[in-house]
Amino acid sequence: DTAVSQTPKYLVTQMGNDKSIKCEQNLGHDTMYWYKQDSKKFLKIMFSYNNKELIINETVPNRFSPKSPDKAHLNLHINSLELGDSAVYFCASSRGTGGGYTFGSGTRLTVV
Amino acid sequence: AQSVTQPDIHITVSEGASLELRCNYSYGATPYLFWYVQSPGQGLQLLLKYFSGDTLVQGIKGFEAEFKRSQSSFNLRKPSVHWSDAAEYFCAVGTSNDYKLSFGAGTTVTVRA
Repeated sequence: DTAVSQTPKYLVTQMGNDKSIKCEQNLGHDTMYWYKQDSKKFLKIMFSYNNKELIINETVPNRFSPKSPDKAHLNLHINSLELGDSAVYFCASSRGTGGGYTFGSGTRLTVV
Repeated sequence: AQSVTQPDIHITVSEGASLELRCNYSYGATPYLFWYVQSPGQGLQLLLKYFSGDTLVQGIKGFEAEFKRSQSSFNLRKPSVHWSDAAEYFCAVGTSNDYKLSFGAGTTVTVRA
């Protein structure tokens, strides 16, 4: 059983489209995250939810909207996709503070 | 806010040779420190972590790291690398009262035969 699973693994779409990435964890963790990894492999946090409550919301365009229907799921919806949104998006989960994340395998988004 | 520096962008090492990856952090109190590895096309896997106690930490895949408070460092070592160790390595820092984990820019390790 995969601990943190993301779908889809690859996503190729045209500029201006709207797309969603889904994430599920079966570890019983209470906190979930979205990280963006750019072409230089730099990892930057975007959002975090703790027990369905948004607790971290970094400087991200409001075209990006996270949704957490329950503490095992965290989805990322992106409106009006732009070329600069091309990246690998990682979902992660943890139990409480301090780090020690478990990561999903990533979703490679390519906007053409 | 905490931050992490990985001074080496790319390291090439021969198979069977030793490996050391450098990590320096900036944080006022005792940090929580992590090393993750990312193989090509894969997610990040936790190698080891330091919260407190013994400053020499053993991890998976034969890796170890040493926390040196005086140098604000948490360097990763492996005595003898295998070709499968070729990957991207990330150092990260967290704190006891923060959910956010801050990552360094990563070090790419190439293993030559």
